[in-house]
Amino acid sequence: KAGVTQTPRYLIKTRGQQVTLSCSPISGHRSVSWYQQTPGQGLQFLFEYFSETQRNKGNFPGRFSGRQFSNSRSEMNVSTLELGDSALYLCASSLSGSETQYFGPGTRLLVL
Amino acid sequence: QKEVEQDPGPLSVPEGAIVSLNCTYSNSAFQYFMWYRQYSRKGPELLMYTYSSGNKEDGRFTAQVDKSSKYISLFIRDSQPSDSATYLCAMSARASSYGKLTFGQGTILTVHP
Repeated sequence: KAGVTQTPRYLIKTRGQQVTLSCSPISGHRSVSWYQQTPGQGLQFLFEYFSETQRNKGNFPGRFSGRQFSNSRSEMNVSTLELGDSALYLCASSLSGSETQYFGPGTRLLVL
Repeated sequence: QKEVEQDPGPLSVPEGAIVSLNCTYSNSAFQYFMWYRQYSRKGPELLMYTYSSGNKEDGRFTAQVDKSSKYISLFIRDSQPSDSATYLCAMSARASSYGKLTFGQGTILTVHP
């Protein structure tokens, strides 16, 4: 089975721009979670989608949003980028939001 | 105070040593406990998954959970240079988690030949 894939792998943006990241879950997995990883804060939960519905959300500003499509693929969007948004963005998939989550390789975002 | 505390290390051991990695937590609702391994510039890879208290063994890896003490451990026997990575503990409370894992800060492990 193919693993979780994320595109793009690397991205450089400037402050004020917006960015869209994509995640394709493992085939058959309907839940997709997104995390932000930084050296200072570690891995922090952004949100989770299941059957195109956001079921859970972490403590991030409204500039961070996401969506899920009928094929379970998910996108996250960050608007009005700030320097502090530079991070590794990881998505993880699971069958139904169960605890066994499998992570993709991440998208490394650098905001200049 | 963070919900999950993990000593960031770094931890450096010789090849063949037994490694002990630990996390403590404060949320008594946590029921599911995981250990992930993350190599540099890669996504986390699931190593061990346990439910509630007890031990679980898989090859050179043993995970222990003590819910009464809110303490979990990962032991690596006969450590190898290929075990050099960051180890992350993660946990969730199923009833309200909906895909949310709470992670420790990660422990950087180096196994030198």
